Amino acid sequence: GAVVSQHPSRVICKSGTSVKIECRSLDFQATTMFWYRQFPKQSLMLMATSNEGSKATYEQGVEKDKFLINHASLTLSTLTVTSAHPEDSSFYICSARAYSESNQPQHFGDGTRLSIL
Amino acid sequence: QKEVEQNSGPLSVPEGAIASLNCTYSDRVSQSFFWYRQYSGKSPELIMSIYSNGDKEDGRFTAQLNKASQYVSLLIRDSQPSDSATYLCAVNMVYNQGGKLIFGQGTELSVKP
Repeated sequence: GAVVSQHPSRVICKSGTSVKIECRSLDFQATTMFWYRQFPKQSLMLMATSNEGSKATYEQGVEKDKFLINHASLTLSTLTVTSAHPEDSSFYICSARAYSESNQPQHFGDGTRLSIL
Repeated sequence: QKEVEQNSGPLSVPEGAIASLNCTYSDRVSQSFFWYRQYSGKSPELIMSIYSNGDKEDGRFTAQLNKASQYVSLLIRDSQPSDSATYLCAVNMVYNQGGKLIFGQGTELSVKP
């Protein structure tokens, strides 16, 4: 159980393109999803917490207008990187936590490797 | 002081040995702790969860928690080359209502055949 699907797994695109990444919980309802970014040889850095039906909570230093998050249902959250530039190239990973289990572990998707040329 | 600290390694052990991974955290009231394994180029996968002081065993893995010392560890018995990965310690921060995880920088483990 607790399977999280993330799509696409890899994106290569030109600078200025907007990229949309989907995160789905397949076998459970997730009121809360999380978006992380990981640069090479570094740990995961939380970008934002996505709550179903409400605005996402962004971590300090993360531009909400650049990283648009939508959590329209209990099984889907999307991250859109708007007007992406080479410095946005990174490994983006989502995670989800089952409904009402705030003390339980997060389950991660397979990640999206974004390369901006 | 970082909220969650781990030795970055690399930690190198021979096949069949016990690998010991350590983690300290700063939030004294944290209640839930996790170990994730991350292979190169992949996303983290949950290895162990621990909530109470003491030891918790699952197969070759044992998690140890000491809340008084704000210390959590992971022991891997009979280490295998396939255990070679980065191990991330994560602490669920109580003060944040969303229950966000704070990750350590990870310890790279290398198991030599």
